Amino acid sequence: DAGITQSPRHKVTETGTPVTLRCHQTENHRYMYWYRQDPGHGLRLIHYSYGVKDTDKGEVSDGYSVSRSKTEDFLLTLESATSSQTSVYFCAISESGQGIGEQYFGPGTRLTVT
Amino acid sequence: DQQVKQNSPSLSVQEGRISILNCDYTNSMFDYFLWYKKYPAEGPTFLISISSIKDKNEDGRFTVFLNKSAKHLSLHIVPSQPGDSAVYFCAARVHNAGNMLTFGGGTRLMVKP
Repeated sequence: DAGITQSPRHKVTETGTPVTLRCHQTENHRYMYWYRQDPGHGLRLIHYSYGVKDTDKGEVSDGYSVSRSKTEDFLLTLESATSSQTSVYFCAISESGQGIGEQYFGPGTRLTVT
Repeated sequence: DQQVKQNSPSLSVQEGRISILNCDYTNSMFDYFLWYKKYPAEGPTFLISISSIKDKNEDGRFTVFLNKSAKHLSLHIVPSQPGDSAVYFCAARVHNAGNMLTFGGGTRLMVKP
């Protein structure tokens, strides 16, 4: 299994509070991704990174920001959490943008915004 | 508009029989298609992939078929086992687009003993 951890694994927070989710990898992979999973929508890309300090938006980036100051860490921040951001968040990594390009996923963080 | 669709939210199959999971797409720029399997409370795991230049790829009990003219792919599992019970996601990648994947909504497969 790829060395990917996410913290926290579960979090309950109130509307309007800031929240930061952390993804940590030990594989030294260049690409890192944040997805959210919601019923009927599969996984939707929030933001991704193609190197330290290099990030870009995905399909559902509104209300989220990211930072990557080290190869191994990719942070997802909800500046002011809303109930619509209640979801399961997955981090993924991939070695490069070439070839098959399969991504390896972390165990997920279940976030509830009340 | 969803570019990758899995129109069957669930599928029930008897152990030992064939499971067929379907996926449709709309973007002609997809160059790779991937299937992921997800158990509850775990992250998705990569299962099998196919390049857009092929029409079939096989790995043990799993075979993926691609019909480019119909923009349709399917995952066949033969024989199905109870341990295959999971949610299966179809995903597609656009060539030279930062390795971003677009996922379908998933199909929950239940294999009955």
